Amino acid sequence: QQQVKQSPQSLIVQKGGIPIINCAYENTAFDYFPWYQQFPGKGPALLIAIRPDVSEKKEGRFTISFNKSAKQFSLHIMDSQPGDSATYFCAASKGTYKYIFGTGTRLKVLA
Amino acid sequence: GAGVSQSPSNKVTEKGKDVELRCDPISGHTALYWYRQSLGQGLEFLIYFQGNSAPDKSGLPSDRFSAERTGGSVSTLTIQRTQQEDSAVYLCASSLDGTGSTSQHFGDGTRLSIL
Repeated sequence: QQQVKQSPQSLIVQKGGIPIINCAYENTAFDYFPWYQQFPGKGPALLIAIRPDVSEKKEGRFTISFNKSAKQFSLHIMDSQPGDSATYFCAASKGTYKYIFGTGTRLKVLA
Repeated sequence: GAGVSQSPSNKVTEKGKDVELRCDPISGHTALYWYRQSLGQGLEFLIYFQGNSAPDKSGLPSDRFSAERTGGSVSTLTIQRTQQEDSAVYLCASSLDGTGSTSQHFGDGTRLSIL
């Protein structure tokens, strides 16, 4: 019940495409859902985060969609660029410090 | 410094040796976390420090692993009698406080290789 399941494991899109990464959780007590972006050799960096009281949040080209009833949330990258090629992690927490991370999605955007 | 600093960035050692990994959190951040990231895997929680409270060590995989945080700032993760399965990237993060709603800021990690 503490798991966060992330899919797909890897994703290849053309420049300008809209990659979508999905995460699903079981614990309805989770109340904070961040997404992290990680480049090779670097630590994860916070990209965008959402709480369950909203269904969508946009920051630049990045959008989180949240479906509370389905216990799913997803990351959409609009007009994807080669520079977006990275590994993306979703996470969930329930008002405490313990983030439960997904297993990551390796995204490659072709020029 | 501006971000979380970890040292060394890379460490290669022989099986059975002890290693120490260092983390210097963002100034003013009271919460500090250690994670382990194995190749192609997600982030595995190891230990959490918050202010002067007792640390949460529930994620440490064995008694060969220990960590301390001196003066509420710098932290050291120690692995004794290293094994090949300890090879991974060890990431440190800090946050303003220990609530889940404050974002965690990560260092670039220490890549540990056990020969």
